[in-house]
Amino acid sequence: SQQGEEDPQALSIQEGENATMNCSYKTSINNLQWYRQNSGRGLVHLILIRSNEREKHSGRLRVTLDTSKKSSSLLITASRAADTASYFCATDPSKAPYKYIFGTGTRLKVLA
Amino acid sequence: NAGVTQTPKFRVLKTGQSMTLLCAQDMNHEYMYWYRQDPGMGLRLIHYSVGEGTTAKGEVPDGYNVSRLKKQNFLLGLESAAPSQTSVYFCASSYSLVGEVTDTQYFGPGTRLTVL
Repeated sequence: SQQGEEDPQALSIQEGENATMNCSYKTSINNLQWYRQNSGRGLVHLILIRSNEREKHSGRLRVTLDTSKKSSSLLITASRAADTASYFCATDPSKAPYKYIFGTGTRLKVLA
Repeated sequence: NAGVTQTPKFRVLKTGQSMTLLCAQDMNHEYMYWYRQDPGMGLRLIHYSVGEGTTAKGEVPDGYNVSRLKKQNFLLGLESAAPSQTSVYFCASSYSLVGEVTDTQYFGPGTRLTVL
């Protein structure tokens, strides 16, 4: 079963607007990561946030983590057409028998 | 550095045929992973390896075998392909520090496999 579930499944915004994606997970984690996937390509790592961190920034990206609610959000500010991609959260469950569980992704479309 | 490479990029098999997908990384990473990606399903971990000579099952290991004879290579085998194995397969690798559980994964470009 999928540990991470992204919300919304699809998002369409205008260039310059902010995009917010959410990820919920089920079990305790060591860390949570966000990845981007352009159509037909492999995933590219964006940012990692550890379970003892609450917020992290990287350029136009801001990630928050609420371990009490088992949720994370990814905010992309001042979006660009090049941000059009699918975004996935991935959790490293601290008690699972295997590594990394990916969510089903949010498809972001930024309109120029 | 080439990063993570996968061969082949595309493949069409008939039901019952076998094949091996090759993943290679030149980053001296200890951890390597095989995932499959199906529409609407996200990525699911098939098998992974925490070092040369070791392998472990992931979320969906049935119908697949793996080997890690060399640190830089991770092979995924399908002994008897089934239409349900039609998917895009991604390999990834990561460098884990001593004391850390896992770290950032670097992905290959994927292999698109169709089983007729």
